[in-house]
Amino acid sequence: EIVLTQSPGTLSLSPGERATLSCRASQSVSSRYLAWYQQKPGQAPRLLIYGASSRATGIPDRFSGSGSGTDFTLTISRLEPEDFAAYFCQQYGESPPWTFGQGTKVEIK
Amino acid sequence: EVQLLESGGGLVQPGGALRLSCVDSGLSFRSYAMAWVRQAPGKGLDWVSAISIHSGTYYADSVKGRFTIARDNSKNTVYLQMNILRAEDTAVYYCASKIPDGAPLDRWGQGTLVTVSS
Repeated sequence: EIVLTQSPGTLSLSPGERATLSCRASQSVSSRYLAWYQQKPGQAPRLLIYGASSRATGIPDRFSGSGSGTDFTLTISRLEPEDFAAYFCQQYGESPPWTFGQGTKVEIK
Repeated sequence: EVQLLESGGGLVQPGGALRLSCVDSGLSFRSYAMAWVRQAPGKGLDWVSAISIHSGTYYADSVKGRFTIARDNSKNTVYLQMNILRAEDTAVYYCASKIPDGAPLDRWGQGTLVTVSS
């Protein structure tokens, strides 16, 4: 089973700053099968990025994804107040198991 | 707006059973693979089970042999039968859907809380 490790656990930033979140896999993951989700308290996760770098429908272009192999990154170019939330990466190969990282919380500094 | 709506959560004693349901209000349910993902209080997301459009089933090791996923395309519904429940199964259980062939989980329900406690 592929283990995803996200860092940092918590990121303390101010609105307008750039956020860089990391997701490292225990073995190579096809870029086609790497996603990022945003989750706010009391809400379901929302798909942000799929295929490592493609934005889901309706996602602002301040969100971008990159990476390949075992190292992937989610970047938020300029944090808006509504971006303070938890973010999870996930690998979703053609067949399960589909694993998630443990999450990064982006909090207001 | 097309939605997924879970139900069936609640308080159950250790060793007990519960069946979760998830109804898809859309028109293309049979074209989607379905999954259950859980989140223990204050913790991260944990994939539990999935069922393909052809009813192939998959389980996380932690629930294999205790949980059963099934779908009824005539009712646009996916189920999760949970038996021999343990305290560590306490979580919000989310239903999610995806198109086949390596797509991500792009539609999620709001979740239903399962509490396993005596």
